[in-house]
Amino acid sequence: AQSVTQLDSQVPVFEEAPVELRCNYSSSVSVYLFWYVQYPNQGLQLLLKYLSGSTLVKGINGFEAEFNKSQTSFHLRKPSVHISDTAEYFCAVSGNKLSFGAGTTVTVRA
Amino acid sequence: ETGVTQTPRHLVMGMTNKKSLKCEQHLGHNAMYWYKQSAKKPLELMFVYNFKEQTENNSVPSRFSPECPNSSHLFLHLHTLQPEDSALYLCASSQDRDVYNEQFFGPGTRLTVL
Repeated sequence: AQSVTQLDSQVPVFEEAPVELRCNYSSSVSVYLFWYVQYPNQGLQLLLKYLSGSTLVKGINGFEAEFNKSQTSFHLRKPSVHISDTAEYFCAVSGNKLSFGAGTTVTVRA
Repeated sequence: ETGVTQTPRHLVMGMTNKKSLKCEQHLGHNAMYWYKQSAKKPLELMFVYNFKEQTENNSVPSRFSPECPNSSHLFLHLHTLQPEDSALYLCASSQDRDVYNEQFFGPGTRLTVL
């Protein structure tokens, strides 16, 4: 069995400030890890993924995430957000199937 | 058209109606998926097709009936739905069912059941 927990349901942040979205997972098998973003009225789009190798993964739009196996975490970060980063962000874990977290709504204010 | 398209984008139906959702992918993928997205809940995987064959049905009520006539098209036929079935229905595709493959999503159909 596997599960994904996104620790924050809503994250308000000011423009140009840093943001971190937390994701923890549990799985009895080795996993692959993903972050997806969903802009208003759109489907999900892949931000980045960890399959193997370096634990620091860089994605699109200046986002990065770090895989921490001992803490079973895959937190997403961006050093300076823009208004256009307002969206819902989903962490996903793929062991024997793909499981999504409940999402974190990021609202960027000027 | 590029990527994954879904029609209609919005649908309002009564509990006795029959309607269908359509998904088309232009990516040459072999696996297609239906998900249900409800507010503040994780995406719920409903059905998976791989090379046109259904490989997963996650205990979805029979009032939802999928159809995959070829690797590019996926339908979700709806009949006698309940108000709690109101949600965003997302279609996705991937190269195949390998768990490391990225899934590409359509924009979804916003369904309201009255």
